[in-house]
Amino acid sequence: QSALTQPRSVSGSPGQSVTISCTGTSSDVGDYYYVSWYQQHPGKAPKLMIYDVSKRPSGVPDRFSGSNSGNTASLTISGLQAEDEADYFCSSYAGTYTFDVVFGGGTKLTVL
Amino acid sequence: QVQLQESGPGLVKPSETLSLTCSVSGASISSYYWSWIRQPPGKGLEWIGYIYYSGSTNYNPSLKSRVTISLDMSKIQFSLKLSSVTAEDTAVYYCLRGGSWFDSWGQGTLVTVSS
Repeated sequence: QSALTQPRSVSGSPGQSVTISCTGTSSDVGDYYYVSWYQQHPGKAPKLMIYDVSKRPSGVPDRFSGSNSGNTASLTISGLQAEDEADYFCSSYAGTYTFDVVFGGGTKLTVL
Repeated sequence: QVQLQESGPGLVKPSETLSLTCSVSGASISSYYWSWIRQPPGKGLEWIGYIYYSGSTNYNPSLKSRVTISLDMSKIQFSLKLSSVTAEDTAVYYCLRGGSWFDSWGQGTLVTVSS
């Protein structure tokens, strides 16, 4: 069982916005500003999309944005495109002063 | 641009030790964390552990008794050893740059534990 909870699937039509949630506890998402999000297409290695809750690496479209509130982090994808269809994983530091890393179970995004 | 490449046996027998190496090119090992993550077939990601260029390490508590991550700065590579493997350790293993977030990933290597 994954430490962080994500919905198994979300869907949206091209041009719409979708939000994927990532719920943890006060010992991980709620305690650290180190939430990150990864996109994984089938058979490929994951790709970093968001780090430190809301920062985008160079080359990631600004359609991707991150935020958090309490123990829940969110990834919002606006202006959905067909190529956004993929699995998305969240991650966070966890543990008091142990700096372990935990992942969510992943969310399958389907672009209708 | 940093590139990482995993290498090692694709098949390991139960109770033996899984050994993988990650070769780093295009970047210095210094001043970064270097990590291993795995993904069982059809499942999510699991953090294994990381090593800082200084040599300090941090491991997943559930794997800590079986895991060793080491660094060879002269060869610009780092390694993973996982002992006493079982079928539950069958997964794609990724090496990565980073400790809290991971900006560069290897392509991943499938390791199957089977007799």
